[in-house]
Amino acid sequence: RKEVEQDPGPFNVPEGATVAFNCTYSNSASQSFFWYRQDCRKEPKLLMSVYSSGNEDGRFTAQLNRASQYISLLIRDSKLSDSATYLCVVNKMNNNAGNMLTFGGGTRLMVKP
Amino acid sequence: NAGVTQTPKFQVLKTGQSMTLQCAQDMNHEYMSWYRQDPGMGLRLIHYSVGAGITDQGEVPNGYNVSRSTTEDFPLRLLSAAPSQTSVYFCASSSNRGRIYGYTFGSGTRLTVV
Repeated sequence: RKEVEQDPGPFNVPEGATVAFNCTYSNSASQSFFWYRQDCRKEPKLLMSVYSSGNEDGRFTAQLNRASQYISLLIRDSKLSDSATYLCVVNKMNNNAGNMLTFGGGTRLMVKP
Repeated sequence: NAGVTQTPKFQVLKTGQSMTLQCAQDMNHEYMSWYRQDPGMGLRLIHYSVGAGITDQGEVPNGYNVSRSTTEDFPLRLLSAAPSQTSVYFCASSSNRGRIYGYTFGSGTRLTVV
């Protein structure tokens, strides 16, 4: 079983739609959680961190459920420019005090006119 | 512009050749890492460093070496290239608060081994 699992999609939605992505992680020692966005043939870029209380950044809302080891990302009023792959990422501190990110395989979103 | 710089952007190697992928950051970040990204596999950690002089292996270290002689630079060496190392390689860096703010990635090196 992968440590971080995502539905690869693609999710095809019309402009203006609301879309939600889910992610599950298996390591209960995970301490920090993120959503990254990756455009085709580009590097991943941090979209938002995910906090236990849930957090919102404009049209984007992230939720974390530690008990179920589940993370979600909600995008409201989808724009064409939201078309990308969304990576669920968890971070844990290892025994050497290193920062280790584990990535999900990504969920591809395609927003259509 | 401040950030993570990777060179080269593209490279074709013959099986058995060696080469070094360069990574430099100017943000005085302690943590640096190398990832490879393959279709359907997501990003996988190759090696990482928590500071100058300190490196450790990640998930897929075989066939790669690293060193960290300065805070700024973290080169990745392919010892004897194999077709299985055809991939996109990303370098990333983070401050010691990376668990809150995440990582900054370089633009990647697309490597093909023939």
